[in-house]
Amino acid sequence: DIQMTQSPSTLSASVGDRVTITCRASQSISSWLAWYQQKQGKAPKLLIYKASSLESGVPSRFSGSGSGTEFTLTISSLQPDDFATYYCQQYNSYSRTFGQGTKVEIK
Amino acid sequence: EVQLVESGGGLVKPGGSLRLSCAASGFTFSSYSMNWVRQAPGKGLEWVSSISSSSSYIYYADSVKGRFTISRDNAKNSLYLQMNSLRAEDTAVYYCARSGLGGAFQHWGQGTLVTVSS
Repeated sequence: DIQMTQSPSTLSASVGDRVTITCRASQSISSWLAWYQQKQGKAPKLLIYKASSLESGVPSRFSGSGSGTEFTLTISSLQPDDFATYYCQQYNSYSRTFGQGTKVEIK
Repeated sequence: EVQLVESGGGLVKPGGSLRLSCAASGFTFSSYSMNWVRQAPGKGLEWVSSISSSSSYIYYADSVKGRFTISRDNAKNSLYLQMNSLRAEDTAVYYCARSGLGGAFQHWGQGTLVTVSS
């Protein structure tokens, strides 16, 4: 099975900061990577698919990049609504593995 | 508007069974692959199972293979997860999710809580 590793596990940042989260795959997944945002007690929300495509309705401050085994999610200017946990997910193989999550906290 | 509504969660003893349902509306259910994802209390997301639009392809996580069965009824716009031989570690909120055309999980239900405890 393909393993997904996110870093960091926790990130403390201030409103207006540029934030980057990294996701690494244990083998190449081409661009078959998605990013999700989850707030406490809520279902996850799709932000980015196919590594860099922005889901409809998602603010343009979110962007994704990468291919192969290394990917990043960037929030260009952190907003109060962005404090949440973020997950990457590969869908290259039948086993749709998630990363362990990155919690973005208020500094 | 796409809506996914899970039901069937509850408290069950170890070794017991439970059947989860997901009622879909707002889209052509028979055209999309569907998925189950779970989240144990305080933990991350874990993919559980996926089923293609016509049920031709079915996949399971190793952690549930042989115990859980995913199915769908396209006439009823419904997705199911039959869970047998439940263990304490199966305790989680279970979400159903619709795949987008590219494969990412585009829409999610609100989840249903399954608690396995004696």
